[in-house]
Amino acid sequence: AQSVTQLGSHVSVSEGALVLLRCNYSSSVPPYLFWYVQYPNQGLQLLLKYTSAATLVKGINGFEAEFKKSETSFHLTKPSAHMSDAAEYFCAVTTNSGNTPLVFGKGTRLSVIA
Amino acid sequence: KAGVTQTPRYLIKTRGQQVTLSCSPISGHRSVSWYQQTPGQGLQFLFEYFSETQRNKGNFPGRFSGRQFSNSRSEMNVSTLELGDSALYLCASSLETGSSYNEQFFGPGTRLTVL
Repeated sequence: AQSVTQLGSHVSVSEGALVLLRCNYSSSVPPYLFWYVQYPNQGLQLLLKYTSAATLVKGINGFEAEFKKSETSFHLTKPSAHMSDAAEYFCAVTTNSGNTPLVFGKGTRLSVIA
Repeated sequence: KAGVTQTPRYLIKTRGQQVTLSCSPISGHRSVSWYQQTPGQGLQFLFEYFSETQRNKGNFPGRFSGRQFSNSRSEMNVSTLELGDSALYLCASSLETGSSYNEQFFGPGTRLTVL
């Protein structure tokens, strides 16, 4: 069975500050990991994904994440927060079988303060 | 290319009623998955259909069912609605490429409110 834990249901940062959203996973097989963003009244948009290639993954809107197997982590970072980054962020895990459903964390709401 | 569309976007029902939600995948995508999103439980997988067959199923009661048509459009049905069924229902489609992972593209969701 797989699971995802996102530390902090709500994170608040100042505009221009570093964004760090934490994600730890549990998986008995090599995982594929994802970060999604959800804006109000919208579906999920894929930010970035780790599928066993490079451990440092760059995504859209300046976000990146690093897969650390020893720490079972896949934290999301952005060097400088922008007001438009305010949204809910979800970390998700699946396996490399191709047909296994995504398992999501509970989400982290990011607020950006001017 | 048009994205995943879901209809209706908003729905209000009363306890005991049944509801049908619709999802049209991206053209060419044959896999459709459904997720339930609630503040308490987060995002939970309901089921996945591929080529009109249910390929995966989550841990939901039998009141939740789905189907897929030959054009890959999918519907999900919830019978005997309960207050706890109030949620955002998200549909996602993916293109079967034969690779180890098929990216899922999400629709905007249907917001169901049960009174």
